[in-house]
Amino acid sequence: AQSVTQLGSHVSVSEGALVLLRCNYSSSVPPYLFWYVQYPNQGLQLLLKYTTGATLVKGINGFEAEFKKSETSFHLTKPSAHMSDAAEYFCAVSISGGSYIPTFGRGTSLIVHP
Amino acid sequence: EAGVTQFPSHSVIEKGQTVTLRCDPISGHDNLYWYRRVMGKEIKFLLHFVKESKQDESGMPNNRFLAERTGGTYSTLKVQPAELEDSGVYFCASSQEGAKRNTEAFFGQGTRLTVV
Repeated sequence: AQSVTQLGSHVSVSEGALVLLRCNYSSSVPPYLFWYVQYPNQGLQLLLKYTTGATLVKGINGFEAEFKKSETSFHLTKPSAHMSDAAEYFCAVSISGGSYIPTFGRGTSLIVHP
Repeated sequence: EAGVTQFPSHSVIEKGQTVTLRCDPISGHDNLYWYRRVMGKEIKFLLHFVKESKQDESGMPNNRFLAERTGGTYSTLKVQPAELEDSGVYFCASSQEGAKRNTEAFFGQGTRLTVV
């Protein structure tokens, strides 16, 4: 079975500062990894995903994440935070080759201060 | 293209009452999933339909929950009778069958259910 741990239920940054949201996963087989974002009053939106190939994955809105197998991590970063990035972010893992039923983390609320 | 649509967006009901949530997936998506998030906790899988068939319902909490997808189009999730611990946000998602089915699903905005 797979699992996801997101460190920190809330992360607070200043506008323009680096955003780093941490995600560690556990999977007995090669994983597929995802980051989703939920803006207020909206549904979950896929930010980016890693399936195979390049371990540095670029997503929408300037976000990127790097799959590090040795560290079982898939941290989400953005060089410069914008006020519009304030949202809840979910890391998820699913099993490659299986049906798409991801296991989600508890989510991290990103707070951006002016 | 319309996305995944869920009705209602919010529902407040009393303990013991019945509530039915509806999900309209993206047209042509055979896979439909229900998830639930209890406040402050992770988003948990409830069940998975492929067309009208239940492929996996291992996440359904108990027999007070009944999901249907007659005709393989929209799906309903009924909670009867509702209990306080059923409060949370219920998400629906859909994905295509085929080569890309393992890599992305599209989520609705969720239904926030409050049982008082």
